[in-house]
Amino acid sequence: AQSVTQLGSHVSVSEGALVLLRCNYSSSVPPYLFWYVQYPNQGLQLLLKYTSAATLVKGINGFEAEFKKSETSFHLTKPSAHMSDAAEYFCAVSDQRNTGGFKTIFGAGTRLFVKA
Amino acid sequence: GAGVSQSPRYKVAKRGQDVALRCDPISGHVSLFWYQQALGQGPEFLTYFQNEAQLDKSGLPSDRFFAERPEGSVSTLKIQRTQQEDSAVYLCASSFLVQGTDTQYFGPGTRLTVL
Repeated sequence: AQSVTQLGSHVSVSEGALVLLRCNYSSSVPPYLFWYVQYPNQGLQLLLKYTSAATLVKGINGFEAEFKKSETSFHLTKPSAHMSDAAEYFCAVSDQRNTGGFKTIFGAGTRLFVKA
Repeated sequence: GAGVSQSPRYKVAKRGQDVALRCDPISGHVSLFWYQQALGQGPEFLTYFQNEAQLDKSGLPSDRFFAERPEGSVSTLKIQRTQQEDSAVYLCASSFLVQGTDTQYFGPGTRLTVL
């Protein structure tokens, strides 16, 4: 069974500092990996996804993530935090189902705080 | 041409009442998902539709939970005899195709509070 672990339920950084949100996964097959962001009172929206092409994936708002198979990791980074980055971030893994379609497993989330 | 919409946005129910939560996916999207998100947690998978077919309902927590998508577009999640542990945000998402690589587009959710 697939699973996702996000290390750190809360991360606090200063504006302009590096953002690093950690995600480790377990999967018996090559995974499809995602990062979603949830702003207060809004639905989740996709930041970026890994679909077995380039291991370094660039997303919206300056975020990127690197797929490292040897470490089963897909950490999210941004070189310089902005106040508007304050939100909840979810790592997720999807797999195809024998019954058709696919199923997505989400991590518990990491809340990012950005200090002025 | 909007995104995924859900109604109601907020629902308060007394324990034992039945509730129905509606999801309007993006037009033309084949796949539709329901998730339950408890406070401080990530979304947990409930069920999956491919057009009108419910292909996976392994995440439904009990037989009090029922979902349908009869015409392959709008979906309803029904919870019978609500319990306090059902209090959560219920999220609906849709995607254009049926691939594991597909992006899911989420609605704003319905916050259910069971008193």
